[in-house]
Amino acid sequence: SQQGEEDPQALSIQEGENATMNCSYKTSINNLQWYRQNSGRGLVHLILIRSNEREKHSGRLRVTLDTSKKSSSLLITASRAADTASYFCATAPIQGAQKLVFGQGTRLTINP
Amino acid sequence: GAGVSQSPSNKVTEKGKDVELRCDPISGHTALYWYRQSLGQGLEFLIYFQGNSAPDKSGLPSDRFSAERTGGSVSTLTIQRTQQEDSAVYLCASSLRQGRDTQYFGPGTRLTVL
Repeated sequence: SQQGEEDPQALSIQEGENATMNCSYKTSINNLQWYRQNSGRGLVHLILIRSNEREKHSGRLRVTLDTSKKSSSLLITASRAADTASYFCATAPIQGAQKLVFGQGTRLTINP
Repeated sequence: GAGVSQSPSNKVTEKGKDVELRCDPISGHTALYWYRQSLGQGLEFLIYFQGNSAPDKSGLPSDRFSAERTGGSVSTLTIQRTQQEDSAVYLCASSLRQGRDTQYFGPGTRLTVL
């Protein structure tokens, strides 16, 4: 069963705008990872945030984690057409951290 | 360096046939994982290997599914007597160590069972 739930399921914005995607989960985690997927194939790892971290940055990406609310957000700033993809959060449970549990994903479309 | 590779990239088979899917992890990665992505189920964990052993096979959907890993490197996922509901993209990932490290994914094998 899927633990993570992404919100929204689909997001369409203009190039240059910021995109925010949210992820909620149910059990205690060791870490949370965000992935991007183009055209339904391989997953590209974006960022990993550990349970004792609250915020992490990588280029135009900013990830936050609130373990008290069991939620995370991914912010993409100054979006580009190439950012069009599906974005997934995946949680590594404390018990069984090797079994990533994925959400259903957010389909992001950047309009030129 | 080279990433995770999978072969074949696409496989079309007839119902009832056996198929083998292959995964080559990143060199030096001790842990290897198999996931399946299908329209109805999303991304689901199947099995993982630490070295050549698979401590947890509970994610495998049925006893028609099996996997092995040899030499701490290449892994094969075998599906016997394929069914139409086995149609999905099968994704392999590897990580430096088991558990808390980033999992790097391959491009996947798209399996279609007619």
